[in-house]
Amino acid sequence: DAKTTQPPSMDCAEGRAANLPCNHSTISGNEYVYWYRQIHSQGPQYIIHGLKNNETNEMASLIITEDRKSSTLILPHATLRDTAVYYCIVRVAKTSYDKVIFGPGTSLSVIP
Amino acid sequence: DTEVTQTPKHLVMGMTNKKSLKCEQHMGHRAMYWYKQKAKKPPELMFVYSYEKLSINESVPSRFSPECPNSSLLNLHLHALQPEDSALYLCASSHPGVLYGYTFGSGTRLTVV
Repeated sequence: DAKTTQPPSMDCAEGRAANLPCNHSTISGNEYVYWYRQIHSQGPQYIIHGLKNNETNEMASLIITEDRKSSTLILPHATLRDTAVYYCIVRVAKTSYDKVIFGPGTSLSVIP
Repeated sequence: DTEVTQTPKHLVMGMTNKKSLKCEQHMGHRAMYWYKQKAKKPPELMFVYSYEKLSINESVPSRFSPECPNSSLLNLHLHALQPEDSALYLCASSHPGVLYGYTFGSGTRLTVV
């Protein structure tokens, strides 16, 4: 699976959009970009995934550049409950199993 | 039911004890996973089960012994652990080969004394 690079930490003011970047310059054509987050002392939570088109769900939006070498997770109106470590993961789904390997992630602090 | 349930939530064990961690899901997922997470570090994959068969062992020491008795249940048997094995142990499940995210449990906080 391709390697990802994320800033170790970011701050965001409450109510503003949080834009979390991820570089995955070695991504291959059949690899998807996944985002998870982990709130303190809880298990990671799946947020969103995409291949090459932008995606949106009730939690967030995912913007993938045209060359697919980077992506941005957008939390449109950050709240204090969005304070967490955010993990960007690139992987290929196998036919019978797949595995998620977590990098260091970005620690997002939402400031009142 | 959209949850992965892990028990116990906290466990303290001595180095000579034998204990087991339990993970249960009723979402029909046929892939289940054990992760270990040390403080301020990302989760590290330990084992992957697919259709109740062990598919991946990430070179985990034999004092950790996984078991998948049926499609809903995953156990991690612990024996002769070391203090450095103290960590948060996370279970997850997913549909194999389907491009949805994993569902994680909230973990078992293990302390080895």
